[in-house]
Amino acid sequence: DAGVIQSPRHEVTEMGQEVTLRCKPISGHDYLFWYRQTMMRGLELLIYFNNNVPIDDSGMPEDRFSAKMPNASFSTLKIQPSEPRDSAVYFCASSPTSGSATGELFFGEGSRLTVL
Amino acid sequence: GENVEQHPSTLSVQEGDSAVIKCTYSDSASNYFPWYKQELGKRPQLIIDIRSNVGEKKDQRIAVTLNKTAKHFSLHITETQPEDSAVYFCAAREEGFQKLVFGTGTRLLVSP
Repeated sequence: DAGVIQSPRHEVTEMGQEVTLRCKPISGHDYLFWYRQTMMRGLELLIYFNNNVPIDDSGMPEDRFSAKMPNASFSTLKIQPSEPRDSAVYFCASSPTSGSATGELFFGEGSRLTVL
Repeated sequence: GENVEQHPSTLSVQEGDSAVIKCTYSDSASNYFPWYKQELGKRPQLIIDIRSNVGEKKDQRIAVTLNKTAKHFSLHITETQPEDSAVYFCAAREEGFQKLVFGTGTRLLVSP
């Protein structure tokens, strides 16, 4: 398996523009997570899905952020309109159902977003 | 909800020394505690984890200890090498839930 695939790897945009980040989880993983990483706040969980259903979106900062998972192999995180304070690295991660296992998170390479 | 605190934020050691990173968590229901290593510009990757029914776990030069009563856990790296230089994150997960709450990270620098 190629692992969790994210695109784009880098995005530079201007304030007010719409940004869409994409993620393909590892095949067979039931859970998908979106994290945001900044120097000040570290790794923050934005939202996570189980079997394509959003379970917890309490970390989504505001209405400008939205996430979807239309099928088991694709998810998007959208920011509209974008602001400079949204600049960060956005990680997508997936994990199998924990059960008796640890439910390790497998991260993608991240999407580095810069909003000017 | 769960809150994880991590110390120190930066740690500099000489090659061959030991390094210890400490974390505390707030939710006594948490039962799974992984550690992730993130090299510069790379993704976080799991290096070791421990469940609440175990007090200590070792894997070569790294070990993790857990004190459930005090709600803290620590990462120990012995005989540090320059390639250990990275940011290390601790995390906690509550029983029955899948989401991980991460600490703020420790930047470890191992000087030759």
